[in-house]
Amino acid sequence: AQSVTQLDSHVSVSEGTPVLLRCNYSSSYSPSLFWYVQHPNKGLQLLLKYTSAATLVKGINGFEAEFKKSETSFHLTKPSAHMSDAAEYFCVVSPITGNQFYFGTGTSLTVIP
Amino acid sequence: DAGITQSPRHKVTETGTPVTLRCHQTENHRYMYWYRQDPGHGLRLIHYSYGVKDTDKGEVSDGYSVSRSKTEDFLLTLESATSSQTSVYFCAISPRDRGIDYEQYFGPGTRLTVT
Repeated sequence: AQSVTQLDSHVSVSEGTPVLLRCNYSSSYSPSLFWYVQHPNKGLQLLLKYTSAATLVKGINGFEAEFKKSETSFHLTKPSAHMSDAAEYFCVVSPITGNQFYFGTGTSLTVIP
Repeated sequence: DAGITQSPRHKVTETGTPVTLRCHQTENHRYMYWYRQDPGHGLRLIHYSYGVKDTDKGEVSDGYSVSRSKTEDFLLTLESATSSQTSVYFCAISPRDRGIDYEQYFGPGTRLTVT
């Protein structure tokens, strides 16, 4: 069975401070993992993806995530938050076999000036 | 940006009426998906297609049907709309080519209100 748990439904950080959005997954097979961002009233944009290559993945806008198989985690980080990072973030898992993608319930990031 | 369009972008309809949403792609990707997005639930899969005339159900398929007669078009139909189907609907496409390109690309969404 596949599932994704985003551990925080809402995160607030001050501008210029680090961002940590947490994601744990459950997958019966070797998964591919993704983080998507959704700005208000917009569609979803891919931030980064892990597909069994390097475990530390760098994405757009300074975000990165580390795949930790032993912890079944794929946390999203950024060293310094910017006001434009305020958005909803989704962690997604897709097993190597099968055709589906499984979404977490999302984490809303607020950046305080 | 991936070539995905959704139509209509906004629709208000009455309970009991049929509604069809269209997703059109210009990327020639094999897989197409319909999701609904509701507060507190993230995105939930309604139906997906893995080729022309090949479709399968997702976790929230009750009350919805789909059709794919051409690679580029994936239609979602609400046979008799209910207020519980008020939502934002997203179409996504994916080549699912594990060696090169595996992620989903999303359309802009359709906001549907059932009164």
